[in-house]
Amino acid sequence: EVQLLESGGGLVQPGGSLRLSCAASGFTFSNYAMSWVRQAPGKGLEWVSPISDSGGSTYYADSVKGRFTISRDNSKNTLYLQMNSLRAEDTAVYYCAKAVGGSYYHAFDIWGQGTMVTVSS
Amino acid sequence: DIVMTQSPDSLAVSLGERATIHCKSSQSVLYSSNNKNYLAWYQQRPGQPPKLLIYWASTRESGVPDRFSGSGSGTDFTLTISSLQAEDVAVYYCQQYYSTPHSFGQGTKLEIK
Repeated sequence: EVQLLESGGGLVQPGGSLRLSCAASGFTFSNYAMSWVRQAPGKGLEWVSPISDSGGSTYYADSVKGRFTISRDNSKNTLYLQMNSLRAEDTAVYYCAKAVGGSYYHAFDIWGQGTMVTVSS
Repeated sequence: DIVMTQSPDSLAVSLGERATIHCKSSQSVLYSSNNKNYLAWYQQRPGQPPKLLIYWASTRESGVPDRFSGSGSGTDFTLTISSLQAEDVAVYYCQQYYSTPHSFGQGTKLEIK
C-alpha cells in the first residue's frame, strides 16, 4: 500500500525550531518529487516547498524562504522539513505529498495524514 | 505569481443534481510545447487530507468516480459533479503547477441542499 506518514509536529515557542519527517512506503521513493503543503486552522491549502526526485532542485514559498529547508534521504525513503525561526503564522497542519512525476511540475497523487505544528508561547 | 480564484466560495446542491465549480487563473497555465494545462482539482473531506481528483485539467485520477469531470483551458476551468452524492460533501481546491509557487485556489465548500 502506498503510504506517507508524517511525524515531528508539536508545540514550539516563537523563534524555535522543529524538524518534520515523512516516511514513504509502497512506491519507489527516489523516482518522485515530493512537497510540503500546509493548512492553517480553518484555512485553505498553502504550497510550502517542493523537492525534485534527486533532491537537486528545491523551491520555497516567500513566506518560509530563509527559515525552512527541505531535504530528502532516498536511501531511507524519507522527506524532511527543517523549520527554524518559527512564527505564530506558521501554525498549521503540515502535509507531505507525492508528485505524479519526478519533477515538481506535477499534481500530488498521494498525501499523508498531516502533522500539526503549533507556534505559541 | 499566478493567483487562482474559485467561484463560488460555497455551494449547496440537492442530491442527484449537478454541481459546478469554477477556477480562474491570473495567467494561462497551458504549456504550448506539450499542449497540457497544468491544473489539478482536489477534494478535502472534513478531517481528511486532500485527495487528487483531476490532473492536466481533465484527466481523472484512477479510482475517482466518473461523475467527476474537469474541463477548460488556458485560464478558465470547471469541475463538474454530474449527480451529487452524500459523500461528495467536501471542500474542493484547484491548483496550478505551471509555475512556482504552485498556488491553490481559496477553496469551494460544497454542501447538500
